[in-house]
Amino acid sequence: SSELTQDPAVSVALGQTVRITCQGDSLRSYYASWYQQKPGQAPVLVIYGKNNRPSGIPDRFSGSSSGNTASLTITGAQAEDEADYYCNSRDSSGNAVFGGGTQLTVL
Amino acid sequence: QVQLQESGPGLVKPSETLSLTCAVSGYSISSGYYWGWIRQPPGKGLEWIGSIYHSGSTYYNPSLKSRVTISVDTSKNQFSLKLSSVTAADTAVYYCARRGGNGDFDYWGQGTLVTVSS
Repeated sequence: SSELTQDPAVSVALGQTVRITCQGDSLRSYYASWYQQKPGQAPVLVIYGKNNRPSGIPDRFSGSSSGNTASLTITGAQAEDEADYYCNSRDSSGNAVFGGGTQLTVL
Repeated sequence: QVQLQESGPGLVKPSETLSLTCAVSGYSISSGYYWGWIRQPPGKGLEWIGSIYHSGSTYYNPSLKSRVTISVDTSKNQFSLKLSSVTAADTAVYYCARRGGNGDFDYWGQGTLVTVSS
């Protein structure tokens, strides 16, 4: 199956660490990438590959993977990190697939 | 700086064909990478529609494959989406994006809302 599963919602206290997970069989073979989307805006790539951040993405964002689960960790969450987060990977045919998204609330 | 800009009708009638174009600036499509379309129904998640290489090689979401055509015009540095036989379920914000070397989407357009309604 090429489906990716995410928890619908997660919350974190300001300044604390939060992990957002993404599960799927394809993650055993391919890395996940992660996107942040704020209301009314296009998604922004925050993590790609093994654990790479595009230019301009704060180093509090990191990625990891184990087995069929990929994780996005925000260490020291800030108010501006409140957003929807989506994981993305591919299947063996090269087709892209997105997770259902996780709404992050910073308390 | 790579920039993408979607354009096309914001309202399409049911059973008709949705047509959108993505103009790329700051990078030549002919230089490489796959270029794709992603959509997001109101209040819902992202759905990959398909991707195209400058040579014309395409990948389509199996669930939409029978209705989707993506084409590229390297002379105009743009690529296009056609989605046929649309219904209200195709109402969404449509994004175009560049698919990077790791399979990720590293540059996105701002998105354009397409509503399917009579």
